[in-house]
Amino acid sequence: AQSVTQLDSHVSVSEGTPVLLRCNYSSSYSPSLFWYVQHPNKGLQLLLKYTSAATLVKGINGFEAEFKKSETSFHLTKPSAHMSDAAEYFCVVSDLGTGGYNKLIFGAGTRLAVHP
Amino acid sequence: KAGVTQTPRYLIKTRGQQVTLSCSPISGHRSVSWYQQTPGQGLQFLFEYFSETQRNKGNFPGRFSGRQFSNSRSEMNVSTLELGDSALYLCASSLTLEWPVEQYFGPGTRLTVT
Repeated sequence: AQSVTQLDSHVSVSEGTPVLLRCNYSSSYSPSLFWYVQHPNKGLQLLLKYTSAATLVKGINGFEAEFKKSETSFHLTKPSAHMSDAAEYFCVVSDLGTGGYNKLIFGAGTRLAVHP
Repeated sequence: KAGVTQTPRYLIKTRGQQVTLSCSPISGHRSVSWYQQTPGQGLQFLFEYFSETQRNKGNFPGRFSGRQFSNSRSEMNVSTLELGDSALYLCASSLTLEWPVEQYFGPGTRLTVT
């Protein structure tokens, strides 16, 4: 079975400094991985996805993530944090279950705080 | 193109009552999935529908049910509500079933059970 572990439940950065949100996955085959963001009282928005093409994936709002198979990691980064980046971020693996079902498996989430 | 819409956005019910939540997918999307989000359990998969058929179901009791209509709109129903059913219920739609599926989420329905 596939699983996702987000290594930090809370991350706090200053505006203008780099962001690093860490995610490790467990998969018995080549996974498909996503990062979603959830702002307060809002639904989830897709930031980026990895589907076995380029290992460095660029997403919206300046975010990017690098797939490292040897480390089973898919960390999310951004060079310079903005106040509007404060939100909860979810690392997600797409599970192809028996019968060809698609199911998203979510990490526990990382709450990002950005300070002036 | 309009996004996924969910109604109502907020709901307060009493223990023992039942509730129906509605989801309209993005135009042209035929697959709808439902998730429950709580502080303790995080985001958990409820079920997925495609062309009016339930394709997959998560580990939830039979009190949780759903259906999909011919226009791809979906409803989920929770009967005999319990306090623990208080949660944000999220609906997501996708264009195809081809793995890996990219899902687009609605704003959610916040259900409070008192």
